[in-house]
Amino acid sequence: QVQLVQSGAEVKKPGSSVKVSCKASGGTFSSYTITWVRQAPGQGLEWMGRIIPLLGIADYAQKFQGRVTITADKSTSTTYLELNSLRSADTAVFYCARGGQFPFDSWGQGTLITVSS
Amino acid sequence: NFMLTQPHSVSESPGKTVTISCTGSSGSIAGNYVQWHQQRPGSAPTTVIYEDNQRPAGVPDRFSGSIDSSSNSAFLTISGLKTEDEADYYCQSYDSTNLGVFGGGTKLTVL
Repeated sequence: QVQLVQSGAEVKKPGSSVKVSCKASGGTFSSYTITWVRQAPGQGLEWMGRIIPLLGIADYAQKFQGRVTITADKSTSTTYLELNSLRSADTAVFYCARGGQFPFDSWGQGTLITVSS
Repeated sequence: NFMLTQPHSVSESPGKTVTISCTGSSGSIAGNYVQWHQQRPGSAPTTVIYEDNQRPAGVPDRFSGSIDSSSNSAFLTISGLKTEDEADYYCQSYDSTNLGVFGGGTKLTVL
């Protein structure tokens, strides 16, 4: 059973960048996808983008184009979400989720990013 | 922009059946698979329905999914409601460029 383990909570300054990691364990880095989802406090889920780690190909929701980068390190089975030009509205929990046997068959535990001066 | 619209909240009594709708703003909702995700307070989401009507292992058969092309809607039906089903439910699909979209979520209260 694949488990996704995300990096810990961070506090960032407005205008800075953050890089969140998502490590897959208990499985292989085969031709599945990793999707990143944002959830602001008290709000719904928001699809940010996804990557096929084996190929390194990523695509992004239009809302985040130019501000987000999703990458993968096959050697460590880890996927990264980098978000730039942070603002207070980016304060949220970020989830990674795997598309393997089916879309979103495993979810990470979530990473809280707080943007505050 | 393609959007999925859900009711903000629904409520029903234990043992009853509830259905949550998810309506596509354009195109055909039947053209791309719909997933449903359950999120209990303070927890990460989990998938309860994938590919319109498939249940992951471990999800009880009280949960079912369906599509109605005439209303361009997907539906999540939960029968024999239990208090543990109380959660937020999100539908998810893809737009015409195959980018993901979530519905706004529905808060299910079992009272």
